[in-house]
Amino acid sequence: AQTVTQSQPEMSVQEAETVTLSCTYDTSESDYYLFWYKQPPSRQMILVIRQEAYKQQNATENRFSVNFQKAAKSFSLKISDSQLGDAAMYFCAYQSDKLVFGAGTILRVKS
Amino acid sequence: DGGITQSPKYLFRKEGQNVTLSCEQNLNHDAMYWYRQDPGQGLRLIYYSQIVNDFQKGDIAEGYSVSREKKESFPLTVTSAQKNPTAFYLCASTPTDSGYAGSYTQYFGPGTRLTVL
Repeated sequence: AQTVTQSQPEMSVQEAETVTLSCTYDTSESDYYLFWYKQPPSRQMILVIRQEAYKQQNATENRFSVNFQKAAKSFSLKISDSQLGDAAMYFCAYQSDKLVFGAGTILRVKS
Repeated sequence: DGGITQSPKYLFRKEGQNVTLSCEQNLNHDAMYWYRQDPGQGLRLIYYSQIVNDFQKGDIAEGYSVSREKKESFPLTVTSAQKNPTAFYLCASTPTDSGYAGSYTQYFGPGTRLTVL
């Protein structure tokens, strides 16, 4: 069964600084999709970024980018120029036939 | 505006009662999903449906039931057989069309917080 591991239960970053959230996954599939979702205090799950496993180029969305290492089964999220509104729980997720979530990382942003 | 709505936002249940959580979408999506979220954990799949009048069990289906009579609606019933129903419940949807369902991004509703009294 596929599993997703987020080894950092909690991270802190100073406003305007850069932070990287880690994610590893386990799968025997070659074709799959990876996601980072953000869950703010409202608890709405918001898509941050998506990566197709067949693409070597790392996905980027404004201040958010990923470092996708397929051989290492690693999918980290980098948030640049952190803002107070980035404070949330971040979930890494893997999707092949179904969506599997990690346990999440709480990100705190200090002003 | 297109989107997914869930109601109610907060729901309280007495032990032994069945309760139904509503999920509606106007995105014309074929597939719909129910997830449960417990504190400090990620989401776990309860049930999913890829087409009207058809649905499949997810990883934690025991004590739950669903129906899919309309494309827009996928209600979840939490039965008295669910021993620990207090949790946050999220509904999601994706298009499937003729494509591979796993390639589509899931979009989520705002969730329902269920508490057993």
